[in-house]
Amino acid sequence: DAKTTQPNSMESNEEEPVHLPCNHSTISGTDYIHWYRQLPSQGPEYVIHGLTSNVNNRMASLAIAEDRKSSTLILHRATLRDAAVYYCILSRGSQGNLIFGKGTKLSVKP
Amino acid sequence: ETGVTQSPTHLIKTRGQQVTLRCSSQSGHNTVSWYQQALGQGPQFIFQYYREEENGRGNFPPRFSGLQFPNYSSELNVNALELDDSALYLCASSLDRVRMNTEAFFGQGTRLTVV
Repeated sequence: DAKTTQPNSMESNEEEPVHLPCNHSTISGTDYIHWYRQLPSQGPEYVIHGLTSNVNNRMASLAIAEDRKSSTLILHRATLRDAAVYYCILSRGSQGNLIFGKGTKLSVKP
Repeated sequence: ETGVTQSPTHLIKTRGQQVTLRCSSQSGHNTVSWYQQALGQGPQFIFQYYREEENGRGNFPPRFSGLQFPNYSSELNVNALELDDSALYLCASSLDRVRMNTEAFFGQGTRLTVV
């Protein structure tokens, strides 16, 4: 399974943008890039996903490098509620499971 | 539209016992996946069911088994419980197994403690 590498932890100030990096140098052409987050005592929650082009939704933006070997999740204005573990995941079209790593624990300071 | 619900929320079992965890998938979803999450770790894929058939399995022993019912709800059964089985068990449903450009919806999980 294709692997991802993320920093263990990051800190941000409230109302400032946050850029969460992810390296996936062994990504294949059919792998989608997914981001999920897990708030304390909850199940993971979908954030965003993409294949090649940058993506925006109401929660975040996903910037994908041209060679697809890395991506960045962008939270435009962090809130205290965004404090969570963020997982960058690759999935294959022929398989149905998500392979989670340890993720990045994001702390948001008021 | 109801979300993914899991029961029970917490459970304590003794080593060697058997346990059944339940999951009701989101309305219209035909695919259910189960994950085990140990403390401080990311979720680990156990197996997936698609239209009542197992469709992929992670690195878990055969004492972890499952079922999916015609209404797409699912059960996870674990036999001969070991202390290391203590974890949060997560169920996720999705619209389709093949189209991985879709999102998975997770339940709140069942916290299993084996003593």
